[in-house]
Amino acid sequence: IQLTQSPSSLSASVGDRVTITCRASQGISSYLAWYQQKPGKAPKLLIYAASTLQSGVPSRFSGSGSGTDFTLTISSLQPEDFATYYCQQLNSYLGTFGPGTKVDIK
Amino acid sequence: EVQLVESGGGLVQPGGSLRLSCAASGFTFSSYWMSWVRQAPGKGLEWVANIKQDGSEKYYVDSVKGRFTISRDNAKNSLYLQMNSLRAEDTAVYYCARVNWGPYYYYMDVWGKGTTVTVSS
Repeated sequence: IQLTQSPSSLSASVGDRVTITCRASQGISSYLAWYQQKPGKAPKLLIYAASTLQSGVPSRFSGSGSGTDFTLTISSLQPEDFATYYCQQLNSYLGTFGPGTKVDIK
Repeated sequence: EVQLVESGGGLVQPGGSLRLSCAASGFTFSSYWMSWVRQAPGKGLEWVANIKQDGSEKYYVDSVKGRFTISRDNAKNSLYLQMNSLRAEDTAVYYCARVNWGPYYYYMDVWGKGTTVTVSS
């Protein structure tokens, strides 16, 4: 199963609503997680089971979807949110990542 | 404090071997699946391998099957990745991560800072 993310990059301003899409080539139920990674740092878990917010993650982050189409939404972009975002799925015991979406400052 | 600390990275020639280690602390290591994830320079994340709590099940990405071996020592709270027949394309930062895996969920909630492997002559 392949994961695609769109867009591959986007430019946005502080306060903007941002939506990133992750699409699986086949249904993956809700085995979908979202991570944020900043340059030179390890990834940070944001969302798991498609829509469950990880403890300590700001509520401006939300996830939705099931089956093949999933979205990560940042309701009001903050300066610390400029980063690359990855989705990850589990299929046949393999934990494949999407190619990433880079969010930078407009 | 829950923590994962990788070690063992370095420069190795093509065809060579390297063993990465990951020391876990602050949680019951033997209760969790564990994973290795890598990131080549300027590229995205690539899942490499998973290992079950007792080491009885192991899964690998196709590109490392037959060359890499994931293992663990629960008595030492340690995860390992033995890498043989290394290629230039194995050059990456290697992260270990704690896995939470159950009905309808699979995610990595604790990550180390990574260790760098460079394969070059």
